[in-house]
Amino acid sequence: DTGVSQNPRHKITKRGQNVTFRCDPISEHNRLYWYRQTLGQGPEFLTYFQNEAQLEKSRLLSDRFSAERPKGSFSTLEIQRTEQGDSAMYLCARGADGNTIYFGEGSWLTVV
Amino acid sequence: GENVEQHPSTLSVQEGDSAVIKCTYSDSASNYFPWYKQELGKRPQLIIDIRSNVGEKKDQRIAVTLNKTAKHFSLHITETQPEDSAVYFCAQTRYNNNDMRFGAGTRLTVKP
Repeated sequence: DTGVSQNPRHKITKRGQNVTFRCDPISEHNRLYWYRQTLGQGPEFLTYFQNEAQLEKSRLLSDRFSAERPKGSFSTLEIQRTEQGDSAMYLCARGADGNTIYFGEGSWLTVV
Repeated sequence: GENVEQHPSTLSVQEGDSAVIKCTYSDSASNYFPWYKQELGKRPQLIIDIRSNVGEKKDQRIAVTLNKTAKHFSLHITETQPEDSAVYFCAQTRYNNNDMRFGAGTRLTVKP
């Protein structure tokens, strides 16, 4: 148990539609991350929250992507006007001691 | 953050043999080097990590070595078992940097 719950676990959507993923840390974790992983690649950093503040965003995060963490608890990642290239696994992670991070089970997105 | 190069991309060993995966990095300020194991369809799972103030760390059959001068670190798995078969990712980051960079992964197959 990594202390991070994600849903939905799988999402199939038509190109152009909006999708939203949710991440729920089971207990209080100040640091929360979103990563994206495409087939055959390692995870790529998208964004980072310290409590409710979004402190870092990757250049990979286009204007179609937005993330929030109201009240510093759960977080959402929304993708607007999805494209086929958005198909990937979206991983939420919690921070632990130092730079250690633990991933949730991920949310698979398939854009058709 | 800077990228990290990982080799080999695939590795096949006989059960009981050792496996070694190597990663090189370019950011001399990097000070945290974790390794993740990812089974098919599952999340990356942290298996061992090392910080720049030590040169080696061991946990049962797995060990990680770090050469800061040469900027490379390696994962060593001894007495491999079929359940070690997975994709392994190295990663690196620096203190207070939340953009952890991952290698492209090594697919390890342990033949019974």
